[in-house]
Amino acid sequence: DTGVSQDPRHKITKRGQNVTFRCDPISEHNRLYWYRQTLGQGPEFLTYFQNEAQLEKSRLLSDRFSAERPKGSFSTLEIQRTEQGDSAMYLCASSLPGQGNLYGYTFGSGTRLTVV
Amino acid sequence: RKEVEQDPGPFNVPEGATVAFNCTYSNSASQSFFWYRQDCRKEPKLLMSVYSSGNEDGRFTAQLNRASQYISLLIRDSKLSDSATYLCVVIGPYNQGGKLIFGQGTELSVKP
Repeated sequence: DTGVSQDPRHKITKRGQNVTFRCDPISEHNRLYWYRQTLGQGPEFLTYFQNEAQLEKSRLLSDRFSAERPKGSFSTLEIQRTEQGDSAMYLCASSLPGQGNLYGYTFGSGTRLTVV
Repeated sequence: RKEVEQDPGPFNVPEGATVAFNCTYSNSASQSFFWYRQDCRKEPKLLMSVYSSGNEDGRFTAQLNRASQYISLLIRDSKLSDSATYLCVVIGPYNQGGKLIFGQGTELSVKP
């Protein structure tokens, strides 16, 4: 499979627990984006990387959230001390610089988080 | 004001109907425009890019008016399989990281 891969597909966790999601972008895509989508809303930008550098973080990304892309390949998104308001679909997308403007971005299937 | 705003939904139409979705964006320096389709509990998938000259892909026609900051999508002869949420998407200026900015989406339900 040469698409964007996300793991796990679903995660149910108790409030207060930490969770970590993984995203494997399309090979050689050096831009990687994280989005969050709640019911009835469009995806909202969280953060993006170019290679291993995290270039922008949304104000939605509170200090409980951290993202890394240590070797410029896969990325992880960690949420500490989860809250019920964190329940959402977390989407990852990747692109080559410049090509996104022409072709959009390819999204992974997402990780659906439910905090109980 | 949201950066990308779409018609409120849902749209409920019979098979064969023509349906139009509208979208406006606030940043005049936005550089690229798309329509994405999202099926229930799935990821968004690119439906088509949108160009100022207008572009067509089968039953789908997209139009961009940069002066009015307005984007549209027309679906002709709608099929049951067109039922989904349609997301208007904009890429902001170059100095804003090229990230996709989504509207809230408009749900379409095509009935037999």
